[in-house]
Amino acid sequence: GAGVSQTPSNKVTEKGKYVELRCDPISGHTALYWYRQSLGQGPEFLIYFQGTGAADDSGLPNDRFFAVRPEGSVSTLKIQRTERGDSAVYLCASSLDRGPGELFFGEGSRLTVL
Amino acid sequence: DQQVKQNSPSLSVQEGRISILNCDYTNSMFDYFLWYKKYPAEGPTFLISISSIKDKNEDGRFTVFLNKSAKHLSLHIVPSQPGDSAVYFCAASLIDNFNKFYFGSGTKLNVKP
Repeated sequence: GAGVSQTPSNKVTEKGKYVELRCDPISGHTALYWYRQSLGQGPEFLIYFQGTGAADDSGLPNDRFFAVRPEGSVSTLKIQRTERGDSAVYLCASSLDRGPGELFFGEGSRLTVL
Repeated sequence: DQQVKQNSPSLSVQEGRISILNCDYTNSMFDYFLWYKKYPAEGPTFLISISSIKDKNEDGRFTVFLNKSAKHLSLHIVPSQPGDSAVYFCAASLIDNFNKFYFGSGTKLNVKP
């Protein structure tokens, strides 16, 4: 498809486990973003990639969260030692990054930590 | 610290009437503002944007108004249609970091037929 693709759409895991969430951005989009949306809240910024490098990771809540984008396209958000408070919808977005503009969001990965 | 606030969690409007969704912000360095619409089980989709150099931007049935002195923006939908029923988020980015968006908590709009 032509849009941002995220897998898995749903992930249920146990407290303490390791989780990986994948994002495949729109072809040609150099900027990629991860946001987290908790119940009843708006999306909260986690990290922004320009190409392969993390240009801004100021939103990552702690060192259990890490994201990579090794080839400048697909990105993986990695969460170690998951906690119940990590339960949320993790949204990925991409953009052309030619100045301020719209983000194109995927449908999100819903993570539930039991 | 919530820098972008949507104080109305929900709004109900009759089909054909105007819907007005409001958003307030606290940081005067916000330079660019957007509205997103979100249906259940889908990602947010872009609706309309406005730069701080403007006070109004219009796109079809959707108009965004920006009042910088009041740190307030609003989205007007005229006429409202049942298909507009969704959660609407406003978002803002800073003048020196337009890649990081701050979102409000959303307003759920219900347009009644």
